[in-house]
Amino acid sequence: GENVEQHPSTLSVQEGDSAVIKCTYSDSASNYFPWYKQELGKRPQLIIDIRSNVGEKKDQRIAVTLNKTAKHFSLHITETQPEDSAVYFCAASLSGNTPLVFGKGTRLSVIA
Amino acid sequence: DAGITQSPRHKVTETGTPVTLRCHQTENHRYMYWYRQDPGHGLRLIHYSYGVKDTDKGEVSDGYSVSRSKTEDFLLTLESATSSQTSVYFCAISDLTGGYGYTFGSGTRLTVV
Repeated sequence: GENVEQHPSTLSVQEGDSAVIKCTYSDSASNYFPWYKQELGKRPQLIIDIRSNVGEKKDQRIAVTLNKTAKHFSLHITETQPEDSAVYFCAASLSGNTPLVFGKGTRLSVIA
Repeated sequence: DAGITQSPRHKVTETGTPVTLRCHQTENHRYMYWYRQDPGHGLRLIHYSYGVKDTDKGEVSDGYSVSRSKTEDFLLTLESATSSQTSVYFCAISDLTGGYGYTFGSGTRLTVV
C-alpha cells in the first residue's frame, strides 16, 4: 500500500521567513495530494491540494509543488506569521474513493 | 458548522469495557472515515465506509468494528477497550462531487484506564 514520509518533524522559523515541508510517497499511481493544518486542540483542516496533472498550485502565501518523477511534493509558506504555527500533514491517495494516507506531521513554530 | 459532529467529545473508560463513538453528518456525503491520532504517528486509518452497509478495514483495524446503517451515521466500536486504544479519534467525510478533500469532525479524546 501507499506510504507517505514527511520531513522535518519539527520546524522553527522567524516571522517573515519562508517554511518548506517535504513529503515523499511510494505508489506512483497516487494522484491526489492534499495538505492539512491542525492548530492545537482543533480538527485538521484542508489548506491546499494538488492533483497529479498539475506541477504547482498557489494560494496567497502558500504553494504546493509536485514532482511525479521523484514522487515527492512540498508545501511552501512565505512571509510566515505567528498564526501559521500549527502541525501540518501531507497526504496522498490513488483516487477519490481511496482513503488518504497521511504523513506523520510537521510541527511548525513561527517565532515573532 | 462543518456539517459533521462527533460524540462524545471526551470519554474515560475502563479496560475491557465496550465503547462506541458516533459520527454524524448532515452533508449526505458517501464516504466516511475513522482515523486515530497519536503523537509521532500522525493520522492512521481504522475503518472507512463507501456507502450504507459498505465498510472496509484500514491500517490499524484490529480491536475495532464499525457500522453504517444510514448515510448520516458511522459508528466506531471498541469491543473490549485496551490502554493502547487511548487516543484522539477523528471522523472525516468526503464526496467526490466536491473534490477529494476531507472534512474532519472535532475529534473524540478517549482515555482507557
